[in-house]
Amino acid sequence: GESVGLHLPTLSVQEGDNSIINCAYSNSASDYFIWYKQESGKGPQFIIDIRSNMDKRQGQRVTVLLNKTVKHLSLQIAATQPGDSAVYFCAESLGLTGTASKLTFGTGTRLQVTL
Amino acid sequence: GAVVSQHPSRVICKSGTSVKIECRSLDFQATTMFWYRQFPKKSLMLMATSNEGSKATYEQGVEKDKFLINHASLTLSTLTVTSAHPEDSSFYICSARLRADTQYFGPGTRLTVL
Repeated sequence: GESVGLHLPTLSVQEGDNSIINCAYSNSASDYFIWYKQESGKGPQFIIDIRSNMDKRQGQRVTVLLNKTVKHLSLQIAATQPGDSAVYFCAESLGLTGTASKLTFGTGTRLQVTL
Repeated sequence: GAVVSQHPSRVICKSGTSVKIECRSLDFQATTMFWYRQFPKKSLMLMATSNEGSKATYEQGVEKDKFLINHASLTLSTLTVTSAHPEDSSFYICSARLRADTQYFGPGTRLTVL
C-alpha cells in the first residue's frame, strides 16, 4: 500500500548547526504534508505544514521543502538547539474533509543535538 | 489555542478489565477525532476515526468490539479497551481536527495491562 518513509532513523547534529530531516512519500495523490515533533512520552506536536501547490514554506527557525517530482519532503531546522532533540515524523494526507483527511505517518527520525 | 487533553495519562490494569481513555478538545470544537496507537520506537498507527454523533470508522485489522469509541459531544471522544490483555499495552494517542486537515494531538495515555 501507500507509505511514507524516512531515509535516516537517527540524526546527530551539533548545537548551533542546521538540521535537515528527510522524508519520502509514495502516494502521488497526497496534497497536504505535515511535520510533527514528538518528545519522549508525549503526543506529537505540530511544527509546520505545506500544501502541494507550494514547494517551500518557512516558519520560525523551520523550513519545509516539498519536491513533488521525486516525492520528497524535508524539514530544515536552523541553529539547532538542545530542545530540538526529539523524534520527528512527516505525515501526508489528501487534504480534504471526511476520510480523506486521515494522516499517514512516516517511520520517524530521531534528532540528537550534541553540545 | 488548539489544545487537546487526554485522561488518564497513565493507567495500569489487570487482564480482563476494561479501561476508558478520554480525549478532549479544550478550546475548540472537533467534529472529528482520531485514535492512534504507538508501540515503543515506532510510528503512529491510526486505529479509528471518531465522528461526533455517528459510529466510528475503524481501520482494517482493528477490532471494533475490542476498542469501543464514543464521540458524544463536539469536545469529547472516549476509547474503551474492553477485556484488556497484555498485548493491548501501548501508548494511545488521540487527535482532534481543527480545520479541514490539521490535526492537533493529545499528550497520550500509557496503558499497561498486567
